[in-house]
Amino acid sequence: QSVLTQPPSASGTPGQRVTISCSGSSSNIGSNTVNWYQQLPGTAPKLLIYSNNQRPSGVPDRFSGSKSGTSASLAISGLQSEDEADYYCAAWDDSLNGPYVFGTGTKVTVL
Amino acid sequence: QLQLQESGSGLVKPSQTLSLTCAVSGGSISSGGYSWSWIRQPPGKGLEWIGYIYHSGSTYYNPSLKSRVTISVDRSKNQFSLKLSSVTAADTAVYYCARDHNRDGYNSWGQGTLVTVSS
Repeated sequence: QSVLTQPPSASGTPGQRVTISCSGSSSNIGSNTVNWYQQLPGTAPKLLIYSNNQRPSGVPDRFSGSKSGTSASLAISGLQSEDEADYYCAAWDDSLNGPYVFGTGTKVTVL
Repeated sequence: QLQLQESGSGLVKPSQTLSLTCAVSGGSISSGGYSWSWIRQPPGKGLEWIGYIYHSGSTYYNPSLKSRVTISVDRSKNQFSLKLSSVTAADTAVYYCARDHNRDGYNSWGQGTLVTVSS
């Protein structure tokens, strides 16, 4: 019962820029920071972005995050074949939905 | 480097209790500022947060699972555990344990373990 909404799919050719949106509400994205996770096939999720726009050590700067109001976005610049994966946004939630909620997930395909 | 490793029964009968343990190595489960969580993913579906236990011992659960979930910690073994009662086929999923620091997201994950609920 994901409370954060993402498009089910996104795609691009190598080198292109792809953007994934994440829509929430005042109780989650509107009042807390957003995290993004990348999940390669058959593996555990990996933290890609924390605190809306911060990259953990080792994450390429091709990945960037932003937040505005109750929505957030993940951008992948210079798309590479190894970026083909599922991407999830997530945030802490101050309502009865919480405390932590994930997005519905977006499958990124590199054409 | 922190490592998390899930273990437990991979097959549980309907109405029984699912039990999993997450062994933590490379760090102390009692370190301040960290929460230790369980997250699951049904086959072919998205991620669902189950709950966490804070370093202080406080627990928080997903409201949709709260009546069936218990997360506990064994500091002597540096591990934490999940119990989910009255399971049904809908509880079939890959179960992950993970660690969050100061609400900055889960930056350490176990490899995940598949639990199937079937008679």
